[in-house]
Amino acid sequence: QKEVEQNSGPLSVPEGAIASLNCTYSDRVSQSFFWYRQYSGKSPELIMSIYSNGDKEDGRFTAQLNKASQYVSLLIRDSQPSDSATYLCAVPGTGNQFYFGTGTSLTVIP
Amino acid sequence: ETGVTQSPTHLIKTRGQQVTLRCSSQSGHNTVSWYQQALGQGPQFIFQYYREEENGRGNFPPRFSGLQFPNYSSELNVNALELDDSALYLCASSPIPTSGRRGYEQYFGPGTRLTVT
Repeated sequence: QKEVEQNSGPLSVPEGAIASLNCTYSDRVSQSFFWYRQYSGKSPELIMSIYSNGDKEDGRFTAQLNKASQYVSLLIRDSQPSDSATYLCAVPGTGNQFYFGTGTSLTVIP
Repeated sequence: ETGVTQSPTHLIKTRGQQVTLRCSSQSGHNTVSWYQQALGQGPQFIFQYYREEENGRGNFPPRFSGLQFPNYSSELNVNALELDDSALYLCASSPIPTSGRRGYEQYFGPGTRLTVT
């Protein structure tokens, strides 16, 4: 089992819809969870961090964490074509390692 | 505030050669991590440097080595290059958290695209 797993997609949503991205992790003691956005040919950009169970909202983005289910998700409301990118879930592990998922490719259709 | 910078942007090397990649951390950040990202994959953790010492290492062979300097900038060295080393190499900087929580926000540089032929 991989440390972090994501549905690679691709995920397509119409403009204005809600995009839902999911991530599961294997380490039960994980305390911090991060979502990165990566445009094609660019480096990852941090968009959300979440540390406690429940929801955290930042603008059109909402991160949801359920530690009991070892599940973290990212919702993008009112999706825009500029949101088209690969979204990476990252979870710290032991020894100061960070584990990234393979990413979910999102396309927002105008 | 200056973000994370990396050099060079692109690099082409021949199998068996050695390469050095450079990274300057974001102002106020004292920790640097290096990642390898192959096409279509997520970043893979190579190692982390803090206070000029390796502070964690992923599943990479010893021919991947690094340095951190007093100004927190860092180098990644790869010896005996192999074709599979072709990838985007990413540097990320972060502050050490004061809360004791494992894991902290990392900010990536633009990356160095390495091609090994």
